[in-house]
Amino acid sequence: DADVTQTPRNRITKTGKRIMLECSQTKGHDRMYWYRQDPGLGLRLIYYSFDVKDINKGEISDGYSVSRQAQAKFSLSLESAIPNQTALYFCATSPSEHTDTQYFGPGTRLTVL
Amino acid sequence: AQKVTQAQTEISVVEKEDVTLDCVYETRDTTYYLFWYKQPPSGELVFLIRRNSFDEQNEISGRYSWNFQKSTSSFNFTITASQVVDSAVYFCALSEARQAGTALIFGKGTTLSVSS
Repeated sequence: DADVTQTPRNRITKTGKRIMLECSQTKGHDRMYWYRQDPGLGLRLIYYSFDVKDINKGEISDGYSVSRQAQAKFSLSLESAIPNQTALYFCATSPSEHTDTQYFGPGTRLTVL
Repeated sequence: AQKVTQAQTEISVVEKEDVTLDCVYETRDTTYYLFWYKQPPSGELVFLIRRNSFDEQNEISGRYSWNFQKSTSSFNFTITASQVVDSAVYFCALSEARQAGTALIFGKGTTLSVSS
């Protein structure tokens, strides 16, 4: 079984809809992250969480919110989806002993029409 | 400011050729970490290597090798005897120690196409 899982893997939605992307991990890592990938732009950080009670904004948090329900679960929500949020979204985790190294989930491809 | 530049947007080679992917970084920290990730056509991001700024030894893993040179702020990745399965987007990334555990700063990636 994969260490970091993301659901759904693909989602098509309409402008204005609320969407939640979920991430679960079995690595036992404290730190979790959400990134988005756009063609030609690499990956950019949306939010990150050091533990259940510590959540921080990343470079591009506008239009997104997150919830850390447990050590193993970190959800990303788009309150009112817009077309320029169409992207590939990645969840990542990192261990406390090497907080610099991040391990990524398989990604969720989101299309907002 | 921290920055990662992958100047090669796309590279095409024929199987068995050697290919080098360039990565140049900028940071003001003396302690930092460099990474390479592979993104195959299936889309996932696969961790390949982590290197800290105090370890300039080159590393070899099978057909993969990495050349870290602080003097030129480069961390280049070479694939020897490339194979079709090496076709992917490769990302170089940087993490500064003072911000460890926050963002990885990614380059924009190099798309490698290996034809048979």
